[in-house]
Amino acid sequence: GAGVSQSPSNKVTEKGKDVELRCDPISGHTALYWYRQRLGQGLEFLIYFQGNSAPDKSGLPSDRFSAERTGESVSTLTIQRTQQEDSAVYLCASSPGLAGSTDTQYFGPGTRLTVL
Amino acid sequence: GENVEQHPSTLSVQEGDSAVIKCTYSDSASNYFPWYKQELGKRPQLIIDIRSNVGEKKDQRIAVTLNKTAKHFSLHITETQPEDSAVYFCGQDTGRRALTFGSGTRLQVQP
Repeated sequence: GAGVSQSPSNKVTEKGKDVELRCDPISGHTALYWYRQRLGQGLEFLIYFQGNSAPDKSGLPSDRFSAERTGESVSTLTIQRTQQEDSAVYLCASSPGLAGSTDTQYFGPGTRLTVL
Repeated sequence: GENVEQHPSTLSVQEGDSAVIKCTYSDSASNYFPWYKQELGKRPQLIIDIRSNVGEKKDQRIAVTLNKTAKHFSLHITETQPEDSAVYFCGQDTGRRALTFGSGTRLQVQP
């Protein structure tokens, strides 16, 4: 079946502008995650959605970052007033959300954000 | 804490040799330890994972060992091939289901 998809694949923006990144999880997956990967570095957790529960926003680096998810489908990550240090690949992942254990996360291809 | 340290940061081996990557974690409550492979410009893909109720898991040329007492787990790749060249990330669950990842190991297999 279809995997996790993200759009756009690349985004170039000017400092100070707002950007919106989209993630379509695997159908039926109730859990959705956003990570940030700076060049040559590891994956940094940003936010986690599970079903209708309140999202875990503990990884968001500042109040310029926010994310929404409609039900158990699409999620959007919004970065307001972008800064050059926001330049990175933003990866979305989804998992079945099985109760009682951590399950396998499947990653999307990412959105490469460049802030000029 | 939820930190996980990964070593080495780079590893170069000859084709056919074995490669070992080690991760050390601090959260004793962690129960799930995945390994992801990320080829250049591509998405991370799960290659193997282990849960805390077992000490070792093997899948063809890839194995993972877990030592909960010492809080470390390792990825072992035997009979390495050029297509194994990639960046490998270890992860641990955080109790929140989201994963904390190591900083990655760039593996280069020389033909």
